[in-house]
Amino acid sequence: KAGVTQTPRYLIKTRGQQVTLSCSPISGHRSVSWYQQTPGQGLQFLFEYFSETQRNKGNFPGRFSGRQFSNSRSEMNVSTLELGDSALYLCASSSTGHNSPLHFGNGTRLTVT
Amino acid sequence: AQKVTQAQTEISVVEKEDVTLDCVYETRDTTYYLFWYKQPPSGELVFLIRRNSFDEQNEISGRYSWNFQKSTSSFNFTITASQVVDSAVYFCALSEKGTNAGKSTFGDGTTLTVKP
Repeated sequence: KAGVTQTPRYLIKTRGQQVTLSCSPISGHRSVSWYQQTPGQGLQFLFEYFSETQRNKGNFPGRFSGRQFSNSRSEMNVSTLELGDSALYLCASSSTGHNSPLHFGNGTRLTVT
Repeated sequence: AQKVTQAQTEISVVEKEDVTLDCVYETRDTTYYLFWYKQPPSGELVFLIRRNSFDEQNEISGRYSWNFQKSTSSFNFTITASQVVDSAVYFCALSEKGTNAGKSTFGDGTTLTVKP
C-alpha cells in the first residue's frame, strides 16, 4: 500500500505570494489532516478534512485554507505569505475511526524569503 | 483544553543503555487516546503505539514498552538496550473522543541521541 504522498518536497516563496501544497492519502483513508512543524512551536494542528468537509480547525489565521476532493486528495493554500510561515507542513491521513493513528507524509518544506 | 507535556527536550545515551521518555497529558474528556510517534532524521513521523483511556494495561513490543498510568496522567515510553537506529525525535500525542485523531495535540517532542 502506498503511503501518504506530499508534493512538492521543497518550496521557496517570497513574502506576499501564495502557495498551494498537495497531499494524497493512503488508499481508503478518508480523513486528511494538516500540521505545521516549526522548531519554536512544535507540531501545530491546522485543519482536518473528512469526506470533502472540514471537520476540525486549528488556531491559524484565515490565510490558511484547505480543501479535499472526492478522491480524498487534499490541498492546502496559504495566501499573502509571511516570513513566519516558513515551516515543514505535514499531511497525515487516517481511517474513519476517531482513535485511528495518523499516517504522515514526508512533508513540504516551505521557505519564505 | 487538552495539553501534552514532554519535559525532556533532549536525551543522550550510549548504545545498550535503557532510556525512558516521559509524557504527561491533560484532558477533561473521560474517553481519550494517547499515541507515540517517532520522527527519524529523514523527517517522516511514524506511528508507534495507541492506547485508549480505558486500557491501562502496559504493553511491550520487542525493545519498546509503554507504561500508562491514569492516576498520574502519564504515558511513558521505555526503550531497552537502545541502538543507534533509535536516534530520533519522539512525540507523544493526545486526541479526545469529542474530536478525533485527525486533530491530535502533540507534545514538543524529545530528541533522543544514541551514541555508539
